[in-house]
Amino acid sequence: DAGVIQSPRHEVTEMGQEVTLRCKPISGHDYLFWYRQTMMRGLELLIYFNNNVPIDDSGMPEDRFSAKMPNASFSTLKIQPSEPRDSAVYFCASSLSEQGHYGYTFGSGTRLTVV
Amino acid sequence: AQSVTQLDSQVPVFEEAPVELRCNYSSSVSVYLFWYVQYPNQGLQLLLKYLSGSTLVKGINGFEAEFNKSQTSFHLRKPSVHISDTAEYFCAVSGPGSARQLTFGSGTQLTVLP
Repeated sequence: DAGVIQSPRHEVTEMGQEVTLRCKPISGHDYLFWYRQTMMRGLELLIYFNNNVPIDDSGMPEDRFSAKMPNASFSTLKIQPSEPRDSAVYFCASSLSEQGHYGYTFGSGTRLTVV
Repeated sequence: AQSVTQLDSQVPVFEEAPVELRCNYSSSVSVYLFWYVQYPNQGLQLLLKYLSGSTLVKGINGFEAEFNKSQTSFHLRKPSVHISDTAEYFCAVSGPGSARQLTFGSGTQLTVLP
């Protein structure tokens, strides 16, 4: 099992540009989570999906952020337009519902820098 | 809703010394508790978890944690640390529901000094 795969590992973009982060969860996992990590705010849950359906997006900071999960093996987090304050490490994680209490498997993250 | 407090943001310790990283949680319902470790430029890796049963939980890399319900604590310990243990450690709690959504503490940076 290759684990949770995120791409790109690093992204540098100019303010105002659109940014798309990608995630491939572990095959068979039915929950997918997007987290953001910053020095100031720590780890924040942005949104999570169950069986490709968004369940809770209350952590999405504003309308510039959107997330989709078109199928069980792929999810995207999009920021449009990007701003310097969006600079952070974005993590994707997945879990299997029956084993949710075992915790999540995290990807290696995407480090986003908006200049 | 649940919350997690990690009382120390940074813990320096000399190699081969014991260490304790403190974690307290608050929740009105039964919870599951976790410790994750994050090495530089990497994702979070599960270190250990408490689900039920014995309050002393053993994890990877020689770490262990003790669940104390009366004190609502889940402190992480290691009797002798190595340089390679230098990392950030996160305590997390999950609540009811099949997703068991994780709420993380703010993290503790453990630095092992030679």
